[in-house]
Amino acid sequence: DTAVSQTPKYLVTQMGNDKSIKCEQNLGHDTMYWYKQDSKKFLKIMFSYNNKELIINETVPNRFSPKSPDKAHLNLHINSLELGDSAVYFCASSQGVGGLYEQYFGPGTRLTVT
Amino acid sequence: GENVEQHPSTLSVQEGDSAVIKCTYSDSASNYFPWYKQELGKRPQLIIDIRSNVGEKKDQRIAVTLNKTAKHFSLHITETQPEDSAVYFCAASKRNKLSFGAGTTVTVRA
Repeated sequence: DTAVSQTPKYLVTQMGNDKSIKCEQNLGHDTMYWYKQDSKKFLKIMFSYNNKELIINETVPNRFSPKSPDKAHLNLHINSLELGDSAVYFCASSQGVGGLYEQYFGPGTRLTVT
Repeated sequence: GENVEQHPSTLSVQEGDSAVIKCTYSDSASNYFPWYKQELGKRPQLIIDIRSNVGEKKDQRIAVTLNKTAKHFSLHITETQPEDSAVYFCAASKRNKLSFGAGTTVTVRA
Protein backbone atom coordinates (compact mmCIF):
# COMPACT_ATOMS: atom_id res chain seq x y z
CA ASP A 1 0.00 0.00 0.00
CA THR A 2 2.21 2.74 -1.38
CA ALA A 3 1.52 6.16 0.15
CA VAL A 4 3.15 8.47 -2.40
CA SER A 5 4.23 7.01 -5.71
CA GLN A 6 6.07 8.52 -8.66
CA THR A 7 6.71 7.35 -12.19
CA PRO A 8 9.14 6.88 -13.71
CA LYS A 9 11.86 6.15 -11.16
CA TYR A 10 14.62 6.90 -13.67
CA LEU A 11 14.49 9.14 -16.70
CA VAL A 12 17.37 9.59 -19.11
CA THR A 13 16.81 11.95 -22.00
CA GLN A 14 18.58 14.37 -24.30
CA MET A 15 18.72 18.12 -24.16
CA GLY A 16 15.78 19.82 -25.79
CA ASN A 17 13.32 17.01 -25.15
CA ASP A 18 10.05 17.33 -23.25
CA LYS A 19 9.26 14.92 -20.41
CA SER A 20 6.68 14.37 -17.68
CA ILE A 21 6.82 12.91 -14.20
CA LYS A 22 3.68 11.64 -12.53
CA CYS A 23 2.82 11.57 -8.84
CA GLU A 24 -0.06 9.99 -6.97
CA GLN A 25 -0.87 9.81 -3.27
CA ASN A 26 -3.44 7.57 -1.58
CA LEU A 27 -3.25 9.20 1.85
CA GLY A 28 -6.26 11.44 1.36
CA HIS A 29 -4.06 14.53 1.68
CA ASP A 30 -5.13 17.77 0.08
CA THR A 31 -1.72 19.41 -0.39
CA MET A 32 0.99 18.17 -2.75
CA TYR A 33 4.46 19.43 -3.56
CA TRP A 34 7.33 19.12 -6.01
CA TYR A 35 10.89 19.38 -4.74
CA LYS A 36 14.19 19.33 -6.61
CA GLN A 37 17.26 17.74 -4.99
CA ASP A 38 20.48 18.65 -6.73
CA SER A 39 23.77 16.80 -6.80
CA LYS A 40 24.80 18.39 -3.50
CA LYS A 41 21.66 16.98 -1.87
CA PHE A 42 20.06 20.39 -1.44
CA LEU A 43 16.26 20.11 -1.27
CA LYS A 44 14.33 23.02 -2.70
CA ILE A 45 10.60 23.43 -3.12
CA MET A 46 9.37 24.14 -6.62
CA PHE A 47 5.57 24.07 -6.43
CA SER A 48 2.75 23.34 -4.04
CA TYR A 49 -0.92 22.66 -4.73
CA ASN A 50 -3.82 22.63 -2.30
CA ASN A 51 -7.08 21.13 -3.53
CA LYS A 52 -5.85 21.47 -7.11
CA GLU A 53 -4.97 25.15 -6.65
CA LEU A 54 -1.42 26.42 -6.99
CA ILE A 55 -0.31 27.99 -3.70
CA ILE A 56 3.49 28.03 -4.01
CA ASN A 57 5.35 28.81 -7.19
CA GLU A 58 9.03 29.36 -6.51
CA THR A 59 11.42 30.97 -8.91
CA VAL A 60 11.35 28.12 -11.37
CA PRO A 61 11.85 28.48 -15.16
CA ASN A 62 8.53 28.48 -16.96
CA ARG A 63 9.72 25.39 -18.81
CA PHE A 64 8.43 23.60 -15.72
CA SER A 65 4.66 23.31 -15.57
CA PRO A 66 2.83 21.44 -12.83
CA LYS A 67 -0.67 20.10 -13.31
CA SER A 68 -3.04 18.77 -10.69
CA PRO A 69 -6.03 16.98 -12.26
CA ASP A 70 -7.38 16.11 -8.80
CA LYS A 71 -6.32 16.15 -5.15
CA ALA A 72 -4.55 12.82 -5.40
CA HIS A 73 -2.38 13.62 -8.42
CA LEU A 74 0.28 16.18 -9.20
CA ASN A 75 2.26 15.89 -12.41
CA LEU A 76 5.30 17.81 -13.57
CA HIS A 77 5.94 18.55 -17.22
CA ILE A 78 9.31 19.89 -18.32
CA ASN A 79 9.85 21.43 -21.74
CA SER A 80 13.13 21.90 -23.59
CA LEU A 81 15.22 20.04 -21.04
CA GLU A 82 18.64 21.43 -20.16
CA LEU A 83 21.72 19.85 -18.60
CA GLY A 84 21.09 21.78 -15.38
CA ASP A 85 17.73 20.08 -14.96
CA SER A 86 19.51 16.86 -14.04
CA ALA A 87 18.51 16.12 -10.44
CA VAL A 88 16.25 13.96 -8.33
CA TYR A 89 12.68 15.24 -8.26
CA PHE A 90 10.57 14.37 -5.25
CA CYS A 91 6.84 14.61 -4.97
CA ALA A 92 5.37 14.99 -1.46
CA SER A 93 1.99 15.37 0.18
CA SER A 94 0.65 16.59 3.51
CA GLN A 95 -2.65 16.93 5.30
CA GLY A 96 -3.76 20.52 5.23
CA VAL A 97 -2.04 23.66 4.07
CA GLY A 98 0.13 25.89 6.19
CA GLY A 99 3.39 23.96 6.23
CA LEU A 100 2.62 22.70 9.73
CA TYR A 101 2.19 19.04 8.90
CA GLU A 102 4.44 16.14 8.13
CA GLN A 103 5.23 15.87 4.47
CA TYR A 104 5.32 12.38 3.00
CA PHE A 105 7.78 12.05 0.16
CA GLY A 106 7.61 9.81 -2.88
CA PRO A 107 10.57 7.62 -3.89
CA GLY A 108 11.96 10.24 -6.25
CA THR A 109 12.58 10.40 -9.98
CA ARG A 110 16.21 10.62 -11.04
CA LEU A 111 16.33 12.75 -14.18
CA THR A 112 19.51 12.70 -16.24
CA VAL A 113 19.79 15.06 -19.19
CA THR A 114 22.58 14.29 -21.67
CA GLY B 1 12.28 34.42 2.36
CA GLU B 2 13.41 32.02 5.05
CA ASN B 3 17.10 31.08 5.21
CA VAL B 4 18.07 27.96 7.13
CA GLU B 5 21.71 27.24 7.94
CA GLN B 6 22.79 23.81 9.12
CA HIS B 7 26.03 22.69 10.75
CA PRO B 8 28.11 20.64 10.49
CA SER B 9 27.91 19.43 6.90
CA THR B 10 29.50 16.11 7.85
CA LEU B 11 29.69 14.32 11.18
CA SER B 12 31.49 11.11 12.04
CA VAL B 13 30.81 9.50 15.41
CA GLN B 14 31.75 6.29 17.14
CA GLU B 15 28.89 3.87 17.66
CA GLY B 16 27.33 4.53 21.03
CA ASP B 17 28.36 8.19 21.13
CA SER B 18 26.00 11.13 20.69
CA ALA B 19 25.52 13.27 17.60
CA VAL B 20 24.36 16.88 17.57
CA ILE B 21 23.28 18.89 14.54
CA LYS B 22 22.50 22.59 14.78
CA CYS B 23 20.36 24.84 12.62
CA THR B 24 19.56 28.53 12.58
CA TYR B 25 16.74 30.29 10.79
CA SER B 26 16.23 33.88 9.79
CA ASP B 27 12.49 34.55 9.89
CA SER B 28 10.97 34.87 13.36
CA ALA B 29 7.54 34.10 11.85
CA SER B 30 8.59 30.47 11.20
CA ASN B 31 6.60 28.23 13.49
CA TYR B 32 7.25 24.59 12.61
CA PHE B 33 10.62 22.84 12.60
CA PRO B 34 10.80 19.27 11.30
CA TRP B 35 13.83 17.04 10.91
CA TYR B 36 14.07 14.58 8.03
CA LYS B 37 16.37 11.61 7.60
CA GLN B 38 17.40 10.48 4.12
CA GLU B 39 19.21 7.20 3.68
CA LEU B 40 21.30 6.68 0.58
CA GLY B 41 19.09 6.43 -2.48
CA LYS B 42 15.90 6.73 -0.45
CA ARG B 43 13.27 9.35 0.18
CA PRO B 44 13.43 11.87 3.07
CA GLN B 45 11.38 10.73 6.06
CA LEU B 46 10.31 12.71 9.08
CA ILE B 47 11.98 11.62 12.30
CA ILE B 48 10.86 14.33 14.70
CA ASP B 49 9.33 17.79 14.63
CA ILE B 50 8.73 20.67 17.01
CA ARG B 51 6.38 23.60 16.96
CA SER B 52 7.18 27.12 18.04
CA ASN B 53 5.20 26.88 21.29
CA VAL B 54 7.40 24.02 22.56
CA GLY B 55 11.02 24.20 23.70
CA GLU B 56 12.00 20.55 23.67
CA LYS B 57 10.67 17.22 22.41
CA LYS B 58 12.03 13.72 22.80
CA ASP B 59 11.33 10.43 21.08
CA GLN B 60 13.43 7.52 22.35
CA ARG B 61 17.04 8.26 21.29
CA ILE B 62 16.17 11.43 19.39
CA ALA B 63 15.51 14.86 20.87
CA VAL B 64 15.04 18.31 19.41
CA THR B 65 15.41 21.65 21.18
CA LEU B 66 14.20 25.03 20.00
CA ASN B 67 15.37 28.47 21.10
CA LYS B 68 12.98 30.97 19.52
CA THR B 69 14.79 33.99 20.88
CA ALA B 70 18.06 32.96 19.30
CA LYS B 71 16.31 31.43 16.29
CA HIS B 72 18.11 28.14 16.46
CA PHE B 73 17.15 24.52 16.93
CA SER B 74 19.15 21.34 17.36
CA LEU B 75 18.83 17.60 16.86
CA HIS B 76 20.39 15.27 19.39
CA ILE B 77 20.84 11.56 18.74
CA THR B 78 22.06 9.49 21.69
CA GLU B 79 23.58 6.00 21.68
CA THR B 80 24.16 6.15 17.94
CA GLN B 81 23.86 2.94 15.93
CA PRO B 82 25.07 2.06 12.41
CA GLU B 83 21.51 2.46 11.09
CA ASP B 84 21.63 6.12 12.11
CA SER B 85 24.08 6.72 9.24
CA ALA B 86 22.24 8.98 6.77
CA VAL B 87 21.80 12.58 5.68
CA TYR B 88 19.77 14.65 8.13
CA PHE B 89 17.91 17.79 7.08
CA CYS B 90 16.47 20.45 9.32
CA ALA B 91 13.70 22.67 7.99
CA ALA B 92 11.73 25.72 9.03
CA SER B 93 8.20 26.44 7.92
CA LYS B 94 6.55 29.77 7.40
CA ARG B 95 3.03 29.83 6.05
CA ASN B 96 2.88 27.12 3.42
CA LYS B 97 6.53 26.66 2.70
CA LEU B 98 9.26 24.45 4.14
CA SER B 99 12.80 25.74 3.73
CA PHE B 100 15.46 23.09 4.21
CA GLY B 101 18.97 23.29 5.53
CA ALA B 102 21.78 21.96 3.35
CA GLY B 103 21.94 18.63 5.19
CA THR B 104 24.38 16.85 7.50
CA THR B 105 25.92 13.54 6.46
CA VAL B 106 26.21 11.44 9.60
CA THR B 107 28.47 8.40 9.61
CA VAL B 108 28.40 6.07 12.58
CA ARG B 109 31.64 4.08 12.89
CA ALA B 110 31.32 0.57 14.26
